[in-house]
Amino acid sequence: AQTVTQSQPEMSVQEAETVTLSCTYDTSESDYYLFWYKQPPSRQMILVIRQEAYKQQNATENRFSVNFQKAAKSFSLKISDSQLGDAAMYFCAYTRYDNNDMRFGAGTRLTVKP
Amino acid sequence: EPEVTQTPSHQVTQMGQEVILRCVPISNHLYFYWYRQILGQKVEFLVSFYNNEISEKSEIFDDQFSVERPDGSNFTLKIRSTKLEDSAMYFCASRLGGTSTDTQYFGPGTRLTVL
Repeated sequence: AQTVTQSQPEMSVQEAETVTLSCTYDTSESDYYLFWYKQPPSRQMILVIRQEAYKQQNATENRFSVNFQKAAKSFSLKISDSQLGDAAMYFCAYTRYDNNDMRFGAGTRLTVKP
Repeated sequence: EPEVTQTPSHQVTQMGQEVILRCVPISNHLYFYWYRQILGQKVEFLVSFYNNEISEKSEIFDDQFSVERPDGSNFTLKIRSTKLEDSAMYFCASRLGGTSTDTQYFGPGTRLTVL
């Protein structure tokens, strides 16, 4: 079974600084997709970034980038120039190549200090 | 920008009652999903739906649950006889399809409280 592990229940960062959120996963598949979703207090799930496992290049989306290590099954999220609006719960998620059963980690609560 | 919508935003019901949670996926999307998140816990997959039938379901999705696409726009989750442990946030998601690399887009969720 595929599992997703986020070992940091809480993280904090100073405004304008950089923070990295960790995620590891377990799968026997070779084709799959990885995602980071943000959940603010409103509890809506907002896509931050996604990575296709067959792509070696790390995905980037403005201030958000990932460090995808396929062999190590690691998928960390780096937030640069942190802003107060980045404060939220961040979930790492995995789907198989058929993009059905999405598995989520337990989440990391990010606090941004002014 | 098109988005997934869900109604109601908050539903309160008595244990044993039936509830129907409604979702309107993005209009040209072909794949639909329900997830739930018990307060303080991770988001859990319930069911996926394509071409008017369930394509996959989790062990959580037992006989108490059913899904339906009654018309061209709505996608519903029915819980026949609610239990206290059904209290959770329920998220609907939809995906365009055509390529498995496209993204699941989530609605804002329905908070279900079972008393």
